[in-house]
Amino acid sequence: AQSVTQLGSHVSVSEGALVLLRCNYSSSVPPYLFWYVQYPNQGLQLLLKYTTGATLVKGINGFEAEFKKSETSFHLTKPSAHMSDAAEYFCAVSAGYGNKLVFGAGTILRVKS
Amino acid sequence: GAVVSQHPSRVICKSGTSVKIECRSLDFQATTMFWYRQFPKQSLMLMATSNEGSKATYEQGVEKDKFLINHASLTLSTLTVTSAHPEDSSFYICSARDETSGGLEPDTQYFGPGTRLTVL
Repeated sequence: AQSVTQLGSHVSVSEGALVLLRCNYSSSVPPYLFWYVQYPNQGLQLLLKYTTGATLVKGINGFEAEFKKSETSFHLTKPSAHMSDAAEYFCAVSAGYGNKLVFGAGTILRVKS
Repeated sequence: GAVVSQHPSRVICKSGTSVKIECRSLDFQATTMFWYRQFPKQSLMLMATSNEGSKATYEQGVEKDKFLINHASLTLSTLTVTSAHPEDSSFYICSARDETSGGLEPDTQYFGPGTRLTVL
């Protein structure tokens, strides 16, 4: 079975500061890992995903995440926060191709001017 | 590309009525679609997996007679909340998986914008 833990339900950063959203997973098989962003009253948009290969994954809007098997982590980072990054972010895991997604509880990112 | 639409975006209904929500993949075919439910300030909970041409697979604890799913074509899945009650009020989100050869992101789920259901 798969599970996801997102550390910190709320994260607040200043505009221009580093964004770090933490995600740890549990999986009995090699996982596929995803980060999605959700703006209020909207669906989810895929930021990036890891399946196999390079462990540092670059996504849209300047975000990237690194798969660290030894730490069972897939933290999301962005070097410089922008006001438009304020949203809720979800980490998700699946057991590979064709399997369902299991979502973490989400982290709300606030960007202060 | 890879756009998923939902209709309606918002619906308010009286207790006891049934509500149908449509989920369409606009520019790709989706053998598999998923239906999620999201309570305020909570994560998405998978309700069921919708398979084109066959019965949906429901997650444990989800009443299949309450939440009817039909996946009649490769671009359309519907969720019908039957005899809705106030506790069914929620944000319902669908997603579709791009499984076509040469698709933008094989095995990635693309999400619709969601449907806000309020049962009075």
